[in-house]
Amino acid sequence: QKEVEQNSGPLSVPEGAIASLNCTYSDRGSQSFFWYRQYSGKSPELIMFIYSNGDKEDGRFTAQLNKASQYVSLLIRDSQPSDSATYLCAVRGYGGSQGNLIFGKGTKLSVKP
Amino acid sequence: GAGVSQSPRYKVTKRGQDVALRCDPISGHVSLYWYRQALGQGPEFLTYFNYEAQQDKSGLPNDRFSAERPEGSISTLTIQRTEQRDSAMYRCASRSDTDTQYFGPGTRLTVL
Repeated sequence: QKEVEQNSGPLSVPEGAIASLNCTYSDRGSQSFFWYRQYSGKSPELIMFIYSNGDKEDGRFTAQLNKASQYVSLLIRDSQPSDSATYLCAVRGYGGSQGNLIFGKGTKLSVKP
Repeated sequence: GAGVSQSPRYKVTKRGQDVALRCDPISGHVSLYWYRQALGQGPEFLTYFNYEAQQDKSGLPNDRFSAERPEGSISTLTIQRTEQRDSAMYRCASRSDTDTQYFGPGTRLTVL
């Protein structure tokens, strides 16, 4: 049974700070990793995906993957109040590139002005 | 273009009734996924389709749950003899040939 673990938070950071969100996963064979953002009462939306060890940057967001430690993180630089949301880490399940996603419970981020 | 749509957005039913939840994916998307999301939890996989073929139904909780996608586009998730524990947000997502699953707005099911 694949599992994805996240600290539920809430994580509170001041505006302009770096928010660091962490995720661990149980299946060492996992290959694809995703970060979704979900505003309260809304649907999840994809922020980034990462496949290879190391860092992947997209604007203010950086995803970091360490397969040896089975650890994925998301850094948000220059955090804004509009970044306040729940961040969901997801790992692809079985089924190759078309397989379903296994989600963590999410970390609630609050960015204080 | 239009995103993933789901109907109804809200469904209240009495225990023991059957319900059918509909998902209309983004036009041309091959893969369609059903998830269930409880409050404060991440989405939980139920089943998925490529075109009209159901590829994986391992997440369906029991045999009261079924899904179909007969023409490879619109999908229906059916729950028979609903129970209170079935109350949740049911989300549909579709995917083209990229790695992005686009989620619909969800159907909030309440079983009284």
